[in-house]
Amino acid sequence: GAVVSQHPSWVICKSGTSVKIECRSLDFQATTMFWYRQFPKQSLMLMATSNEGSKATYEQGVEKDKFLINHASLTLSTLTVTSAHPEDSSFYICSATGQRETQYFGPGTRLLVL
Amino acid sequence: AQSVTQLGSHVSVSEGALVLLRCNYSSSVPPYLFWYVQYPNQGLQLLLKYTSAATLVKGINGFEAEFKKSETSFHLTKPSAHMSDAAEYFCAVRGMEYGNKLVFGAGTILRVKS
Repeated sequence: GAVVSQHPSWVICKSGTSVKIECRSLDFQATTMFWYRQFPKQSLMLMATSNEGSKATYEQGVEKDKFLINHASLTLSTLTVTSAHPEDSSFYICSATGQRETQYFGPGTRLLVL
Repeated sequence: AQSVTQLGSHVSVSEGALVLLRCNYSSSVPPYLFWYVQYPNQGLQLLLKYTSAATLVKGINGFEAEFKKSETSFHLTKPSAHMSDAAEYFCAVRGMEYGNKLVFGAGTILRVKS
């Protein structure tokens, strides 16, 4: 199956700093990428959808100025958590779709904000 | 809003026993249906998907699921559980009535006893 990578796999940062998470499709061109967040013992919640070269579409309740998404190429999307606070600590997962619309998920990034 | 329901947040089976994880959707038009598995601290792996072809779908690792329109269900089964099947399983749907986005159920944690 298709491979999606995320980097870093985990990150610890101080409150107030910004953190960038990368999501790459390794063996296919991803027309659409998705960012999810997952709190402990909960399901995945879609944060935003991004198409290459255009602005991301955010879900209701997700602050676009706090969670900056850039989808600069067909193989790379980045999520930047700006001015992170402890409540932003979570597991962030990206996924990508190619021509067949099946979503392939990355391994996730665990963010801990101290 | 349309929903996807997974009955049972935890399921425990003995090694070698039948695995049955339940999933029901609420839309009037059958959506695309998926089962994903998530191992601790990892992303999601696609087990199988239903996209309006055969109603009995075979996936990886010996899992299969049957789409039943009359019951609006897409239950996941495996004839004989292995210890390595212990993980969390998510049912997901995508269709017009779900905003054409992948919507996840709450997840079912499968425990396999030796």
